[in-house]
Amino acid sequence: DVKVTQSSRYLVKRTGEKVFLECVQDMDHENMFWYRQDPGLGLRLIYFSYDVKMKEKGDIPEGYSVSREKKERFSLILESASTNQTSMYLCASSLWGGAFFGQGTRLTVV
Amino acid sequence: RKEVEQDPGPFNVPEGATVAFNCTYSNSASQSFFWYRQDCRKEPKLLMSVYSSGNEDGRFTAQLNRASQYISLLIRDSKLSDSATYLCVVTSFYNQGGKLIFGQGTELSVKP
Repeated sequence: DVKVTQSSRYLVKRTGEKVFLECVQDMDHENMFWYRQDPGLGLRLIYFSYDVKMKEKGDIPEGYSVSREKKERFSLILESASTNQTSMYLCASSLWGGAFFGQGTRLTVV
Repeated sequence: RKEVEQDPGPFNVPEGATVAFNCTYSNSASQSFFWYRQDCRKEPKLLMSVYSSGNEDGRFTAQLNRASQYISLLIRDSKLSDSATYLCVVTSFYNQGGKLIFGQGTELSVKP
């Protein structure tokens, strides 16, 4: 069965902290994505990656960076967390078809 | 203009009703199309792919109209368990990868 796993379901961090969100997929998919989902705004693409060490900015990359050192792992980094980054973060992976999502990480920045 | 736009919701329908959602996309080079379902506080899950020839899966029918750049989802004989948010998704291939763009979603509430 297809599996995308995010490292945490819930996370509380302080303003200014560096935050790492990890995502691992076991499907050998080329493409991986990070989205954030906020009420009324839907899913917005932060970054995506189509191969190891390759990354492309999505619609809202400011304040975030990513790392893809291995095919199965795609990390989202909040360089200096701010309260406006409080959100649900969703990781997904795909080959050429539809994507499969992790269970999401609800991040609260206080 | 958003790349992918959906009907505003919520849709409140009685059990047994037929309900249709539409979604328009702006990039004529888009290549793949999908409908996802998202339950409250859960991750989106792939419901079905959408093809020009149309495709059906039980009570669900999806259609793509490339000329008018819209996709549709029809749900027949609605069940209480169909209550969820339905998201349309368009893939635009960028460099060597596929960039998935989501619509904002349409909330469906099926009432007894």
